[in-house]
Amino acid sequence: EVRLVESGGGLVHPGGSVRLSCVVSGFTFNRSWTSWLRQTPGRGLEWVANINHDGSEKYYVDSVKGRFIISRDNAKNSLYLQMNSLRAEDTAVYFCGRDPGWGAVDYWGQGTLVTVSS
Amino acid sequence: DVVMTQSPLSLSVTPGQPASVSCRSTQSPIHSDGNTYLSWFQQRPGQSPRRLIYKVSDRDSGVPDRFSGSGSGTDFTLKISRVEADDIGVYYCMQGKFWPHTFGQGTKLEI
Repeated sequence: EVRLVESGGGLVHPGGSVRLSCVVSGFTFNRSWTSWLRQTPGRGLEWVANINHDGSEKYYVDSVKGRFIISRDNAKNSLYLQMNSLRAEDTAVYFCGRDPGWGAVDYWGQGTLVTVSS
Repeated sequence: DVVMTQSPLSLSVTPGQPASVSCRSTQSPIHSDGNTYLSWFQQRPGQSPRRLIYKVSDRDSGVPDRFSGSGSGTDFTLKISRVEADDIGVYYCMQGKFWPHTFGQGTKLEI
């Protein structure tokens, strides 16, 4: 059974930082592109960042470039998102997912809520 | 960024009747490899999104054959031949050719 379990969300002050984690099981993590996506009632679903199987390629949506860092630890079957300089507009449910190619995420986590507020 | 525009944004359907969702992209998701990277996702209330269709018309394992995808160029359609109560939720199209990959606004299906 494939499982992706996110953790690390919560309430953060504007300008603060938080690190999300996603632990994966049930597929060959070290051969897979993996992704962070987020969802808000106002902006819907949007991609945040993508990372290839060995971490040598990373892509970010413009709104998070320079503030967020995607990384992975294949030995721990884990994906991370370090979120810095957080803004109110980063408030969202964050999902991790496996991207088998070209964005067609076939496995999703349950999501973790990040709320940026004073 | 490529903008994906869905219509309608909400749909109320009687069980057993068909339903159709349209998706239009500002740039074609056709790749030089010959594939068109357009996917459809279903999000049931309180759940994470679930992929239904990829590369326009390839149905995921476990997805009923009542669901079908079609289209070309910049215009795509998700059809449900006979809606069932279990189909309620929001449906999203997504292009995967251009970064950032982008989703449509979602179409809410009600019974």
